[in-house]
Amino acid sequence: QSDLTQPPSVSAAPGQRVTISCSGSSSDIGDNSVSWYQQFPGTAPQLIIYENDKRPSGIPDRFSGSKSGTSATLVITGLQTGDEADYYCGTWDSTLSAVFGGGTKLTVL
Amino acid sequence: EVQLLQSGAEGKKPGESLRISCKASGYRFTTYWLGWVRQMPGKGLEWMGVIYPDDSDTRYNPSFEGHVTISVDKSINTAYLHWNNLDVSDSAMYYCARQDGAIPDYWGQGTLVTVSS
Repeated sequence: QSDLTQPPSVSAAPGQRVTISCSGSSSDIGDNSVSWYQQFPGTAPQLIIYENDKRPSGIPDRFSGSKSGTSATLVITGLQTGDEADYYCGTWDSTLSAVFGGGTKLTVL
Repeated sequence: EVQLLQSGAEGKKPGESLRISCKASGYRFTTYWLGWVRQMPGKGLEWMGVIYPDDSDTRYNPSFEGHVTISVDKSINTAYLHWNNLDVSDSAMYYCARQDGAIPDYWGQGTLVTVSS
């Protein structure tokens, strides 16, 4: 069981908008910023959102993040087939240990 | 450019020991924490622990403490993950990741560990 809760899967058509939720507690998300990672099969995770809503260089602005209370959300607009991947949220807890969500598989129909 | 280059895939038997490595380049190695993350087949990411290369301050996820050891050789910008007594349940992909504070930002390519009798 993961520390943060994500839906196992989401799906949408190309060009559409999709949201992925990440739910935690007052001792993790509630107190700390959230990051999001994209992982394609057979490859390492890649950071796509940090500090709740910031994008690393090279990440398209179709990806955005937000946080409210003990939950966070990743939004992907203008879906492309190349966005099909697993997405993980992450933060840290009161012991300064990183914690991750269980991952959400995005299917672009 | 930040790069983390991990050692190659390993095949071991239960009870054997193993050390995998992660060589960093492209940044000042001693000023960022470096962590290890496990991903079992078809499963999610599990943070195992982290080390600060400058002084070897190490912190573990309680779920992994006592079963693995994280170490570092800052003279060659390399971190290690070590097992003394492998179990079949240790079969997984292992990633090293630079941590900017507590957040993994750059990741190695992964090392696949297979433990089988």
